[in-house]
Amino acid sequence: EADIYQTPRYLVIGTGKKITLECSQTMGHDKMYWYQQDPGMELHLIHYSYGVNSTEKGDLSSESTVSRIRTEHFPLTLESARPSHTSQYLCASRRDGRGYTFGSGTRLTVV
Amino acid sequence: DAKTTQPTSMDCAEGRAANLPCNHSTISGNEYVYWYRQIHSQGPQYIIHGLKNNETNEMASLIITEDRKSSTLILPHATLRDTAVYYCIVSRGQTGANNLFFGTGTRLTVIP
Repeated sequence: EADIYQTPRYLVIGTGKKITLECSQTMGHDKMYWYQQDPGMELHLIHYSYGVNSTEKGDLSSESTVSRIRTEHFPLTLESARPSHTSQYLCASRRDGRGYTFGSGTRLTVV
Repeated sequence: DAKTTQPTSMDCAEGRAANLPCNHSTISGNEYVYWYRQIHSQGPQYIIHGLKNNETNEMASLIITEDRKSSTLILPHATLRDTAVYYCIVSRGQTGANNLFFGTGTRLTVIP
């Protein structure tokens, strides 16, 4: 049973649209993360958060934003989707000294 | 966080032990070794982590060398469902451990 949930699981959207990828966790973890992963490739950090009202940028943050109004919720927004955004987006959370718990991911296709 | 080096791929016969090596020669004193695996199209799954001592849980064992510059993940009795990409990463386990470098991992194929 998953403790971290991502929606939608799959999304196909047109260029220029604004989209929000949802991520929620029920474990009370303070730290949450967004990663981007292309098939067979490594995970790249997009954004992360240490707690409510705390957000930081990772390596691939320039075209997206996040918010952390509640501990359990960490949505990722792309203001204007482009074909280069086509990828899998993984949300994760963790507690200090513990491993990451990842969601099942959102596979985004921008046409 | 320190970077890691892993073989690109490995095969293992079903029922045998799978030993996956990882080099992390630049690891610092406060960095933990974490292992994850990722089955196709799913999110990574946490397996085990350790600092200095060897660790064992219901999924695997982790052997860390005394100088901490390398480690080995052991799956004692590999099954077909263990076929996945295995990632070794090193990271500070406490506050501040944020920018993980997963690398490309080791693709383990368990052969019937």
